[in-house]
Amino acid sequence: NAGVMQNPRHLVRRRGQEARLRCSPMKGHSHVYWYRQLPEEGLKFMVYLQKENIIDESGMPKERFSAEFPKEGPSILRIQQVVRGDSAAYFCASSPPLTDTQYFGPGTRLTVL
Amino acid sequence: ILNVEQSPQSLHVQEGDSTNFTCSFPSSNFYALHWYRWETAKSPEALFVMTLNGDEKKKGRISATLNTKEGYSYLYIKGSQPEDSATYLCAFNRASYDKVIFGPGTSLSVIP
Repeated sequence: NAGVMQNPRHLVRRRGQEARLRCSPMKGHSHVYWYRQLPEEGLKFMVYLQKENIIDESGMPKERFSAEFPKEGPSILRIQQVVRGDSAAYFCASSPPLTDTQYFGPGTRLTVL
Repeated sequence: ILNVEQSPQSLHVQEGDSTNFTCSFPSSNFYALHWYRWETAKSPEALFVMTLNGDEKKKGRISATLNTKEGYSYLYIKGSQPEDSATYLCAFNRASYDKVIFGPGTSLSVIP
């Protein structure tokens, strides 16, 4: 059973471009979480999704950020019109039904030039 | 605002020393407390999840206790080894399927 997969592992974008980060949860896991780690800071909750549903997006910036977890395919975190302050490591985690233990992916490191 | 605090922020211990650190969380509306271990250049890895007041969990040389009434958990490492060097994160959630809030972590360095 493969672990949580994230791609790309590293992403470089220029200011104003779009960034798309993908997360494939572990097989059988129905919940996906996205976190952001800014330099010298801990993990900050962004959004919590089930298939085709956003459960909690209270940690998402109000503009430019969106997330989805479609019925088929990976979860996508989308950042439009990136700015330098978006540079961070973005971690995805998944959990199986009836448990809150999260299994983390390796992260995507986004650099905005 | 839900806040999870951890102390100390960092510590350095000699190989063979035992050590412990603290996680504080809101004591109202408690559901579960989690400990994760995060090695540099890797992903956070789950150590324990605890749900009941007075819970104690143990994995090898690492153990954890939980006090939900006063809102704290301790993580203990007995006889620290260099491979224990990592950041230890605690996290809590208020209900099943509620978002998990992470603390800032305690960074442990074990000096050979």
